[in-house]
Amino acid sequence: SQQGEEDPQALSIQEGENATMNCSYKTSINNLQWYRQNSGRGLVHLILIRSNEREKHSGRLRVTLDTSKKSSSLLITASRAADTASYFCATLRNDYKLSFGAGTTVTVRA
Amino acid sequence: ETGVTQSPTHLIKTRGQQVTLRCSSQSGHNTVSWYQQALGQGPQFIFQYYREEENGRGNFPPRFSGLQFPNYSSELNVNALELDDSALYLCASKGTGFLNTEAFFGQGTRLTVV
Repeated sequence: SQQGEEDPQALSIQEGENATMNCSYKTSINNLQWYRQNSGRGLVHLILIRSNEREKHSGRLRVTLDTSKKSSSLLITASRAADTASYFCATLRNDYKLSFGAGTTVTVRA
Repeated sequence: ETGVTQSPTHLIKTRGQQVTLRCSSQSGHNTVSWYQQALGQGPQFIFQYYREEENGRGNFPPRFSGLQFPNYSSELNVNALELDDSALYLCASKGTGFLNTEAFFGQGTRLTVV
């Protein structure tokens, strides 16, 4: 079973717009991570946020974490065509395994 | 480029056969985990190895087995292949302090069972 669930399942935006996707999870976590996957190949790590952190930035990425609501959001600002990919949230619990959601497919139109 | 390499990149097997997938972890990483990703789904955790010992397993039957070698490279073996085993198999490595470090993924092996 998957711990995290992303919302929406798919997102289509114009280049230059912002893209926001959300992730909800079920149990307490140690940290939450976001990954990108292009064309069904390997996953690229984007950002990790610990359970005691509320917000983190990395370049054009902004991640928030609300442990009381068991939810996280990923914001990509000023999107580019190269941001077209699937985005996954993954939670790490104390059993050390990453649990992934089903992902959000983002399409950035030129 | 994550430094994690998987081989082969693509593989076609017949139902009932056995397959071995290989993963070389990033230098200095002693933890390797394997994931199965069916089409349109997120990766599902198969198992994890830390210093040559399995230290975590997901909901996969015993015909999914693995090994980690002294150089921390790893193998995933699947016996008695079924059609539903068709998927992208991903390997990831992590270093020490693995609770709060990122996992580095390889490009995956696309397995097709016919």
